[in-house]
Amino acid sequence: SQQGEEDPQALSIQEGENATMNCSYKTSINNLQWYRQNSGRGLVHLILIRSNEREKHSGRLRVTLDTSKKSSSLLITASRAADTASYFCATDRHSGGGADGLTFGKGTHLIIQP
Amino acid sequence: DAGITQSPRHKVTETGTPVTLRCHQTENHRYMYWYRQDPGHGLRLIHYSYGVKDTDKGEVSDGYSVSRSKTEDFLLTLESATSSQTSVYFCAISAGFEAFFGQGTRLTVV
Repeated sequence: SQQGEEDPQALSIQEGENATMNCSYKTSINNLQWYRQNSGRGLVHLILIRSNEREKHSGRLRVTLDTSKKSSSLLITASRAADTASYFCATDRHSGGGADGLTFGKGTHLIIQP
Repeated sequence: DAGITQSPRHKVTETGTPVTLRCHQTENHRYMYWYRQDPGHGLRLIHYSYGVKDTDKGEVSDGYSVSRSKTEDFLLTLESATSSQTSVYFCAISAGFEAFFGQGTRLTVV
C-alpha cells in the first residue's frame, strides 16, 4: 500500500510563482525524502528531512515536516520552466532508514507555464 | 549522474517468455533495488539487495526473481512474462538513505 500520498495530483502555475506540494503518510517515519522526475527519466533526489527536523532548505526548495499530522510540504520558490516535472515524496519502508527500500506516493505533476 | 546503467532501455517480448533486465553500477554502493512504475501506482519495490548474494522481496515480488553475483550488477528476471508486467522498471542504488536511479527500462509484454 502507498505510504505517502501527494496533493494535488496536478498543478499548473505561471513561471515565477511559487509551487507548493503536500504529502501525507500513514505510519511513523525516520526520514522523508522528495524526488523529482522529468518526463521519460529516472528520479532525482532533491532533499531529505529527518523526523526530528521541522524545516529544511536547499536552494529554491523548502521542505517542512509535521510529524504530529504525518504530513510534509515541498515549496519551490520563483518557479522556472525547467521545474516542470513530477514530484514524489518517499518514506522508509521500515524503520531501517531506507536501506530496505522506499515507499513512494503517486506524485504531483507540476507544469510551469511560460 | 550516479553511475547506474540499465539495459536494455526498451524491450518488447511475448507472453510466457523469460526476460532479464540488467542494472550495473560503478559507485560500489551496498544496496540495490528494482522498482516498477505504473500509472496510478507510483513506484513500487519489487526486490532489493543488501550485498552480494543477499536479496529480499519487496511489495510486488510475485513473478520476479533477482540475482546479485557481483557488487556492481543486479539482475531482474521475469520468469514467464505476463501482460500485467508491462511497465517501466527502474533500478536504484543507495548507501543507506537517498537513492540514485537509473534511466529506466520500458518493457512491453504482448
